[in-house]
Amino acid sequence: AQSVAQPEDQVNVAEGNPLTVKCTYSVSGNPYLFWYVQYPNRGLQFLLKYITGDNLVKGSYGFEAEFNKSQTSFHLKKPSALVSDSALYFCAVRDTAAGNKLTFGGGTRVLVKP
Amino acid sequence: DTAVSQTPKYLVTQMGNDKSIKCEQNLGHDTMYWYKQDSKKFLKIMFSYNNKELIINETVPNRFSPKSPDKAHLNLHINSLELGDSAVYFCASSQLSGGMRETQYFGPGTRLLVL
Repeated sequence: AQSVAQPEDQVNVAEGNPLTVKCTYSVSGNPYLFWYVQYPNRGLQFLLKYITGDNLVKGSYGFEAEFNKSQTSFHLKKPSALVSDSALYFCAVRDTAAGNKLTFGGGTRVLVKP
Repeated sequence: DTAVSQTPKYLVTQMGNDKSIKCEQNLGHDTMYWYKQDSKKFLKIMFSYNNKELIINETVPNRFSPKSPDKAHLNLHINSLELGDSAVYFCASSQLSGGMRETQYFGPGTRLLVL
């Protein structure tokens, strides 16, 4: 069965500092990996995805993520965080051996302080 | 120009009632989903329909019944509501025929509170 772990419930960072949100996954087939962001009382917005190709994926709002097969990780990064990046971030995986089901991590709350 | 829309946005009801949540997508996608987000923000898939056919049915009480009248709509009917059904329900859609690389796009959510 596929699974996703986001080891940090919350990440605090000062505005302008680099932001990293961690994600590790477990699949039996090839992983398709996604990051979504949820602002308060809003739906999930797609940020970026890794399907194949370059391990460094660039997405919306200046975010990027690095796929590391040996460490089964897909950490989300932003070089310089903004206060407006404060939100709940979800990592998700789709396993080629498990149909089109998307399995989410538990979410990481990011708080960017001015 | 909303891509995935849900109605209602908020739903407050009494235990034992029956209620429906509607979802519509105008992206031309062939697959739609229902997810449940609990009070701890954990997201889990409930159902998925591809071209009006049920393709994912997770372990969900049979009080929950999805209905897809056409590719652009997926409604969720809940019978005999219980306190534990209180959650945020998200609808999503994707183009499955494009392969598993396709992104799922989410609606704004329906916040259900059962009293």
